[in-house]
Amino acid sequence: AQSVTQLDSQVPVFEEAPVELRCNYSSSVSVYLFWYVQYPNQGLQLLLKYLSGSTLVESINGFEAEFNKSQTSFHLRKPSVHISDTAEYFCAVSEAGGGNKLTFGTGTQLKVEL
Amino acid sequence: DGGITQSPKYLFRKEGQNVTLSCEQNLNHDAMYWYRQDPGQGLRLIYYSQIVNDFQKGDIAEGYSVSREKKESFPLTVTSAQKNPTAFYLCASSPGQGAGEQYFGPGTRLTVT
Repeated sequence: AQSVTQLDSQVPVFEEAPVELRCNYSSSVSVYLFWYVQYPNQGLQLLLKYLSGSTLVESINGFEAEFNKSQTSFHLRKPSVHISDTAEYFCAVSEAGGGNKLTFGTGTQLKVEL
Repeated sequence: DGGITQSPKYLFRKEGQNVTLSCEQNLNHDAMYWYRQDPGQGLRLIYYSQIVNDFQKGDIAEGYSVSREKKESFPLTVTSAQKNPTAFYLCASSPGQGAGEQYFGPGTRLTVT
């Protein structure tokens, strides 16, 4: 069975600084990887995903994540954060051929300060 | 607009009462899911359904029940057997084929006192 680890429960950062949210996964088969964002009292929105091909994937609002198979990681990065990026971020994994079931990490609260 | 609706947004119940949370989607998705979210624990899968009239238990199904009589609807009943029902409940759907991307509703916050 797959699992996901997000080691950082909270990440404080100043506006316009870079940020990295870490995600490691465990699986014995090929995986698909996702980052979701959740604003307070709302559902989750898909931020970006890795299915196959290029290991670097990007979102429309400046986030990127790189799939590293050897390190079983899918860290999320942004070179310059904005106040509006304050939210909780969840990494998730599904196994190829696993019927679309997602396993989520425990989430990282990103707090952007002025 | 296509999407997933959950109602109500906030729900209050007394201990010992069953309560049903609504989830409807008009995305024509085959698969639907219910998750429970508690602070610091991420999302935990309660039940999921990959096709009408069929559903499977997730990781924390005890004290919950579901039905899937229509493709668009997947209601969740929180029974009195659920020991700690106060939580944020999220419904999601996916096409059922492909890579597992799920689309989420806005959630229902249930408070049981």
